[in-house]
Amino acid sequence: DAGVTQSPTHLIKTRGQQVTLRCSPISGHKSVSWYQQVLGQGPQFIFQYYEKEERGRGNFPDRFSARQFPNYSSELNVNALLLGDSALYLCAGGGTSRYNEQFFGPGTRLTVL
Amino acid sequence: DAKTTQPPSMDCAEGRAANLPCNHSTISGNEYVYWYRQIHSQGPQYIIHGLKNNETNEMASLIITEDRKSSTLILPHATLRDTAVYYCIVRVAGGGGSNYKLTFGKGTLLTVNP
Repeated sequence: DAGVTQSPTHLIKTRGQQVTLRCSPISGHKSVSWYQQVLGQGPQFIFQYYEKEERGRGNFPDRFSARQFPNYSSELNVNALLLGDSALYLCAGGGTSRYNEQFFGPGTRLTVL
Repeated sequence: DAKTTQPPSMDCAEGRAANLPCNHSTISGNEYVYWYRQIHSQGPQYIIHGLKNNETNEMASLIITEDRKSSTLILPHATLRDTAVYYCIVRVAGGGGSNYKLTFGKGTLLTVNP
C-alpha cells in the first residue's frame, strides 16, 4: 500500500502570495492532520480533520485554512504569505486504531522569499 | 497533554543498544506514552506506544517505570540508519476520531557512530 503522499515536494513563493498544499492519507484512514515544522523545532499542530469535519485547530492565524474532501484527501491553504511561514509542512493520517497512531507524509518544503 | 522532558542529544556506537530516556512526571492515568522518530528532512515515523506495561515490537522496546513518571525507549542494536530525532509524546488514546493531535517537543537527537 502507498503511504501518505504530499504534493508538491518543494515550493518557493514570495511574500503576500497564497499557497495550497495537498495530502492524501493511506487508504482507509479517515483523519488528516497538518503540522508546521520550522528549522530546529518539533512539528507544531495546525489542523485536524476527521470525516471531513474540523476536529481541532492549533494556535495559527486565520491566514491558515484547510479542508478535507470526500475521498479523505486534504488541502492546506495559506494566504498572505510571510517570511516566517517558511517551513516543512507535514500531513499525518490515522484513525483505524483506538491508539491513534499517526502516519506522516514526507512533507512539503515551503520557502517564502 | 502531559509535558515531557528529553535530553537534547545522545551518542551511541553502531551495534550497541541505544537507551533514550523520557521524563513525564505529570502523566495522567489515562495517558499513553508514544515514541516517534524523524530522520533528517523526512516526516516523523511512529515507533511504539504503551500505557504501563513494557512493550516490544520489531523496531524497539519501551520500558515504563512502575510509577509511570518516566520511560526508556530501547533500540537493541543501533545502526547508522537509526540516527534521527526521537520524540517522546504523552497523550490520551481513543476518542472516536476527535483526538489525533500530537504535541512535539524538541526531542533527542540520537547519533549512531560507526
